[in-house]
Amino acid sequence: DTEVTQTPKHLVMGMTNKKSLKCEQHMGHRAMYWYKQKAKKPPELMFVYSYEKLSINESVPSRFSPECPNSSLLNLHLHALQPEDSALYLCASSQDSRGVETQYFGPGTRLLVL
Amino acid sequence: QKEVEQNSGPLSVPEGAIASLNCTYSDRGSQSFFWYRQYSGKSPELIMSIYSNGDKEDGRFTAQLNKASQYVSLLIRDSQPSDSATYLCAVNKSGGSYIPTFGRGTSLIVHP
Repeated sequence: DTEVTQTPKHLVMGMTNKKSLKCEQHMGHRAMYWYKQKAKKPPELMFVYSYEKLSINESVPSRFSPECPNSSLLNLHLHALQPEDSALYLCASSQDSRGVETQYFGPGTRLLVL
Repeated sequence: QKEVEQNSGPLSVPEGAIASLNCTYSDRGSQSFFWYRQYSGKSPELIMSIYSNGDKEDGRFTAQLNKASQYVSLLIRDSQPSDSATYLCAVNKSGGSYIPTFGRGTSLIVHP
């Protein structure tokens, strides 16, 4: 089973709201990723967790706060977002964050910030 | 020079033809290469991975890697309208944490 699940599928929030995106995988993967993708652009890496520790933060604004409660779960907490943060947010996982491992993507959360 | 380059297209081919998608990369030490298919509004779906020079075939798909020339390509035989999508090339750079770098994607349109 190569499934990564994400909830919710769609999210509309105001600029003062606090919301969270969730990602789950049960493949035993030890690396999990958050990407942001705008229309007609490639996925843009935001965060990488390796063995439940944050290993990469690609200079993402603090209004995005990742959390990895355990090896299967990854959250992205959102607060005081801007309309330009509207995008498709993708979670991915891989066996590890080193070497040749393939990333498997979840279906994404379509976020609209009003 | 961008790290991973793809022609954005669109590449338009008739149904039944061979579609050829190309990708070049700048890091000569790159070791892992991936092709993802992404339908509009959906997430990327892995099509092929390739690690060694030469061809790798899987059904109607063939990935070709030439490390000396720093390019990787994807051939789709007997193209179908359902193949119409954006194809993303991803390359794991050498060193560091091997996080893949994505090209901008090539839009493929297969017309009946």
